[in-house]
Parts: sequence; C-alpha cells; structure tokens
Amino acid sequence: ETGVTQTPRHLVMGMTNKKSLKCEQHLGHNAMYWYKQSAKKPLELMFVYSLEERVENNSVPSRFSPECPNSSHLFLHLHTLQPEDSALYLCASSQDHTGGDEQYFGPGTRLTVT
Amino acid sequence: DAKTTQPTSMDCAEGRAANLPCNHSTISGNEYVYWYRQIHSQGPQYIIHGLKNNETNEMASLIITEDRKSSTLILPHATLRDTAVYYCIVKARGSQGNLIFGKGTKLSVKP
Repeated sequence: ETGVTQTPRHLVMGMTNKKSLKCEQHLGHNAMYWYKQSAKKPLELMFVYSLEERVENNSVPSRFSPECPNSSHLFLHLHTLQPEDSALYLCASSQDHTGGDEQYFGPGTRLTVT
Repeated sequence: DAKTTQPTSMDCAEGRAANLPCNHSTISGNEYVYWYRQIHSQGPQYIIHGLKNNETNEMASLIITEDRKSSTLILPHATLRDTAVYYCIVKARGSQGNLIFGKGTKLSVKP
C-alpha cells in the first residue's frame, strides 16, 4: 500500500467510448504524474502536475486529457482511443516535482481498447 | 534515452544476497543514483537513492564506486517476493527533469 490509489484497476473500452481514470493520493504531496507502460516498453511519462498546474505534457495525443482539480486527485479522460493505446496507466505522486523525487506509484489501470 | 546500463536479467537463490549492477559512466556531479523496482503488474516502488556515499535502508544497500561510474544494489537476503524488474536511474535532485525508466534488470529469485 503506497498511499496512491487508482480506479478502475481494469478497463475495457471501445474506440468510440469516453471513460476516465482516477487517481487519488493520501500522502499530502504536491506533484502528481501520469505514466504509460506498453508491453515490453519502458515507462513513458505523459503528464506532470504541480499544485494543480500542468507543468509538463510530453507530446501526448489530445485523445488523452488530464485534469487535476486539487492536489490529491488526478484524472485522465479518454476518448476515441486506438488499440495501440492499450497499456498499463500508472499514476504517481511526489512531495514536489523539483526536489522530492521519490515518487510513489499507484497499482495502475490496465486498459484494453477494442 | 536512459543514462544507465543494466544486465537484462539475473537469477538469485532464495536467502542469498542479490547484487544488481548498474553502469552510469556519464553521470554528472550533481546527479543522484535512484533505484526502483516493479513487481509484475504493479506500479514501480522506490527502493533507495544516493549521491556518492554508500546508503542503507530497510530494503536494500546501495554501493557507489568512488568514481561514481557504477553502482550496485544489494538485497541482503532475497526472497521470492523480491522477484521483479529493477531500474537504476540517474537524475539530479532539485531539477525539473523527470525519472527516465530504462529496461531494467529482471531479477528472478528461485527457491
């Protein structure tokens, strides 16, 4: 138990669906992250939020839309995804995005796009 | 690209020490060495980090060579639950750079 929870743990969606992934951290951290892990590929950083402001967006397609309503919650809104978007989506948090680099990860959401 | 080189895989007998090497020959003076691990189908887990002195915590020990071009993560008494992919990452603290995960070392602890 890392103090970072993600829901749902598994999600199957069609290419025309709209769904959202949720992440919540109970650690009092100020920074939150979304990562993507495809089969047999390294983790890829998608988005970084610090104090609810997006500080990094690593050329992620617009079909992925993050939202950070407060420092404890992070969402990833999904729409019109492609089969190649099937992956494990991981959320993480850290004290801040510049100094406190020990990131604590959630268990991930296994996404399958059909 | 990751700035580290690790063996693709290693085996270790249960109860023995697991020594995982990492080469980081281009490390800068202000960069730390971080270790994370990822057990199958779970999120990565922070293990330890260091700058130039050896470090130890409840999970592992980190030995960094004097020239800082390589390091070794030591799990003193490996258990089956330590089977995971171990990632060695170099990064400056206080910078706006992010953790870059390479391919890591797949450690298999065998009974």
